[in-house]
Amino acid sequence: GQSLEQPSEVTAVEGAIVQINCTYQTSGFYGLSWYQQHDGGAPTFLSYNALDGLEETGRFSSFLSRSDSYGYLLLQELQMKDSASYFCAVNTDKLIFGTGTRLQVFP
Amino acid sequence: ETGVTQTPRHLVMGMTNKKSLKCEQHLGHNAMYWYKQSAKKPLELMFVYNFKEQTENNSVPSRFSPECPNSSHLFLHLHTLQPEDSALYLCASSQDTAARAEREQYFGPGTRLTVT
Repeated sequence: GQSLEQPSEVTAVEGAIVQINCTYQTSGFYGLSWYQQHDGGAPTFLSYNALDGLEETGRFSSFLSRSDSYGYLLLQELQMKDSASYFCAVNTDKLIFGTGTRLQVFP
Repeated sequence: ETGVTQTPRHLVMGMTNKKSLKCEQHLGHNAMYWYKQSAKKPLELMFVYNFKEQTENNSVPSRFSPECPNSSHLFLHLHTLQPEDSALYLCASSQDTAARAEREQYFGPGTRLTVT
């Protein structure tokens, strides 16, 4: 079967750093994507890792280890507007999404 | 704005009704998708169209019927739905469905469907 696991909820305070982990088991793998979804909004693309290592985009970074079937999204200098759900998704011949991690940022 | 619009944003329908959801993308993409999002469940892929041809039907019940008249428009026709079909239905598009190029999908805001 195909599955992705990520924590259901994470809380943090403004200015902090938070890491959202994602482990996966899929048949076929091209890369790992991350999407953000605010309540009532559409999922929006954040990052994509096809190769092992860290990809940095401003305050957000994403990491992939293909040998460990593991990745994470790192959010730095957290802001209140970062409160949202974050989904990892594996690119096989289609996108397979995880259940999402709800991040709550407190003042 | 992601360049993908969906109408209506909210829909309440009885189990005997027929309704349609509409999606339009203004990004020049060739692939379009329907997803179902239910509480505490992963986004579930329903249908994939590439260059107007259906390439994926993810074991979706026949009470959901997609239509893709051109690469910019996608419809989901609904007929005799069940209460458990209540969910957020999301449309998305991407440049094409070649796996390596499928890395970024652009989603619409969704239609919140309630079946009574």
